[in-house]
Amino acid sequence: GAVVSQHPSRVICKSGTSVKIECRSLDFQATTMFWYRQFPKQSLMLMATSNEGSKATYEQGVEKDKFLINHASLTLSTLTVTSAHPEDSSFYICSAREGQKYNEQFFGPGTRLTVL
Amino acid sequence: AQSVAQPEDQVNVAEGNPLTVKCTYSVSGNPYLFWYVQYPNRGLQFLLKYITGDNLVKGSYGFEAEFNKSQTSFHLKKPSALVSDSALYFCAVRDRRDTDKLIFGTGTRLQVFP
Repeated sequence: GAVVSQHPSRVICKSGTSVKIECRSLDFQATTMFWYRQFPKQSLMLMATSNEGSKATYEQGVEKDKFLINHASLTLSTLTVTSAHPEDSSFYICSAREGQKYNEQFFGPGTRLTVL
Repeated sequence: AQSVAQPEDQVNVAEGNPLTVKCTYSVSGNPYLFWYVQYPNRGLQFLLKYITGDNLVKGSYGFEAEFNKSQTSFHLKKPSALVSDSALYFCAVRDRRDTDKLIFGTGTRLQVFP
């Protein structure tokens, strides 16, 4: 199947700093990429959807100025957590989809963010 | 409102026995249905999907799922469980009329005992 990578896999930062997470589709062109957040022992919650070259669409309750998403190419999307605080600590997972809406999303391995 | 229910937090089964992980959904119209598996500290891996056609869908690693429209269910099954199947399983649905949003269930932890 298609491969999606995320970098870094784990990051620890101080409160107030910004953290950038990269999501790459390695062997296909991702027309749409998604960013999820997963709390311990809970399901994935969609944060935002981004199409290449367009502004991201954020889900209700997700601060777009807090979680900056850039989808500059068909293989790369970035999520920047600005001025991170301990409550932003979570497991962030991206996914990517090629083409039609009924195609499956391929997920990255996730990034564990810990804000001290 | 669209929702997905996985009524069991955990399913325990002995190796070699059949397994079932339940999923029911509430989506207007005919949804797209998916199953994903997650291993510890990893992202989700796609198992199978139902789009249209035959109600019995076969997927990766010997898993299959049956779409039942009248019961709005999409239970995941495998005839003979392996210890390596132990993981967290997520059911997900998407409304065909919606843009992109994939709605996940809360997940079911499958534990296969040797």
